[in-house]
Amino acid sequence: EAGVAQSPRYKIIEKRQSVAFWCNPISGHATLYWYQQILGQGPKLLIQFQNNGVVDDSQLPKDRFSAERLKGVDSTLKIQPAKLEDSAVYLCASSQRGDKYFGPGTRLTVT
Amino acid sequence: AQSVTQPDIHITVSEGASLELRCNYSYGATPYLFWYVQSPGQGLQLLLKYFSGDTLVQGIKGFEAEFKRSQSSFNLRKPSVHWSDAAEYFCAVGAALSFQKLVFGTGTRLLVSP
Repeated sequence: EAGVAQSPRYKIIEKRQSVAFWCNPISGHATLYWYQQILGQGPKLLIQFQNNGVVDDSQLPKDRFSAERLKGVDSTLKIQPAKLEDSAVYLCASSQRGDKYFGPGTRLTVT
Repeated sequence: AQSVTQPDIHITVSEGASLELRCNYSYGATPYLFWYVQSPGQGLQLLLKYFSGDTLVQGIKGFEAEFKRSQSSFNLRKPSVHWSDAAEYFCAVGAALSFQKLVFGTGTRLLVSP
């Protein structure tokens, strides 16, 4: 079974630029999550989708972050404009009956 | 709201020695508890979880953890560490009704010396 795929793996941008991350969950997984993991910290949930609907986005900085999951499969997370404090690893995870499976993450560096 | 404390930022263990990683949680009701491992450049992998029942849970890769309600702890153990166990370990807690919304600790980096 293929795992959760994410791209790109690494991204370096300047502050105030925009960036987008892509996630392809495990086939058949209805629930998809985006986490932000700042260096030295544990992952923090940004947004949770159930199929193509948002279940929880209470910790998503909506003034600059947006996410969508069209057709209930792939998802994109966008940051516009980026700030220095957005430097982190962005993890995507999916689940079907509880257990989460995480992708390798996208490491974002904002300079 | 739930929270997790992993008091050890780094731990160094000799290969073949036993390991215990500490995790303390704060939550008013029965928690759902998890341990994940993250190797460099990899996503998080679930080692084990506790929902209810037997307080000693077995996981993958020879790991086990014990839930102690009186101490609000869920420590991870392994009797004999292998060099490949070097990684970062995260404890996480979920609420009973929304266990999928996990709160993670800050992690413990395990170093294995030869």
